[in-house]
Formats: sequence, structure tokens, C-alpha cells
Amino acid sequence: KNEVEQSPQNLTAQEGEFITINCSYSVGISALHWLQQHPGGGIVSLFMLSSGKKKHGRLIATINIQEKHSSLHITASHPRDSAVYICAADSNTGNQFYFGTGTSLTVIP
Amino acid sequence: DGGITQSPKYLFRKEGQNVTLSCEQNLNHDAMYWYRQDPGQGLRLIYYSQIVNDFQKGDIAEGYSVSREKKESFPLTVTSAQKNPTAFYLCASSIDNSRPNYGYTFGSGTRLTVV
Repeated sequence: KNEVEQSPQNLTAQEGEFITINCSYSVGISALHWLQQHPGGGIVSLFMLSSGKKKHGRLIATINIQEKHSSLHITASHPRDSAVYICAADSNTGNQFYFGTGTSLTVIP
Repeated sequence: DGGITQSPKYLFRKEGQNVTLSCEQNLNHDAMYWYRQDPGQGLRLIYYSQIVNDFQKGDIAEGYSVSREKKESFPLTVTSAQKNPTAFYLCASSIDNSRPNYGYTFGSGTRLTVV
């Protein structure tokens, strides 16, 4: 079993739809990251969370430490949001990230 | 602009040849990391370095080697001992080796194909 599980693996949405990507983790963490990987392969960090909720533009990330669960929401989705979204748990026991396998999002105009 | 530069973006090599992937950062970050990404799998840690002239094996270090002679550079050599070298390789860095989640930055990756 992976330390970080994401769902769904693939997601297709119509432009304008509200999107949710889920992440569950089984390790103790100091922080949880949401990353975005574009088709070219480069990765950018969207959020780093240790509690509560963060918002940046149309993106919202939440985390429930007790339930070991995080969600990434995209409001009013747009084709440019099409990418792979990766959840990464920063372990509190050492210099170690645990990565989910990613959610491939396609937003259709 | 500060960032991480990986080169080349695409690399083709014949089986049995060693190949070195470059990773340079101008962020003054202490720690640097190499990851491998395969389809359907999460990123896996190959090697990391918390300080110049020191590095540690990650989860899948076999068949790889690294060096950290300068703070800004962390090249990865894929040796002929690596059984399945074809993959996407990502380099990353972070500000502080005691707080690896802080300022974590990824490069744009190198796609290595061995034929």
C-alpha cells in the first residue's frame, strides 16, 4: 500500500465545472504539498499545508490532520487547468517526501 | 530569475552507456534531490544532498551516482548498471536541510530514453 493515495487517477471535466481531487496519507507529516505537473513535465508547487485551508485564485486546498486527508478544489475550471496534480506528504520522521501517483485532469472547452 | 535548470530536456543514449544529467540552481538552497518518475507511479527518491560534499541514497539509488562539489550543482549519472534507465528525471531543491518542506522547488525535468 502506498503511503499516499490519490483519487481519482483520471478526471475529465467540462469548462466551468467545480473539481475536487482527494488525497489520503498514512504517514505522520509536517506538511502536505499539492503540485502541478504540466505536459512538458515541469512541476510547480501550488500549496503547502499543515492545517486548515489555503486559497489561491480559483484553487483551494484543505487538510484534515485527524483524518489524514486533503483535498484540492478548482472552481470554474478552465482548459488551462489541464495537468497532472500530485499530492506529496512531507514526512515528519526524516528527509522524505511521499508522493501520490497523480491525478490527470483534462478540462474540455 | 532564480530557479532550477535541468539539461538537457530530452536525452537519448545507447544501452550500456553512462549518461550524466545536469541540475543547477541559483536559489542558494542547501539541499538538492533527484527523483525518478515512471508512468503510474509516484516520484521516487534516487539521491539527496543536504550539504556540499555529502549525499545520501534514496529509495532507488542502485545504478545511479551523484556528486555535490558545489552548492549550486548536483549532477546525476545514470550508469550501465541501472536496469531500466528510461524514465523522466526531476531535480529539486529546498532552502534548509533541516526543513526540507520549506521553499521546495522543482526543475523542469529530463526525459531519458535508452535505446
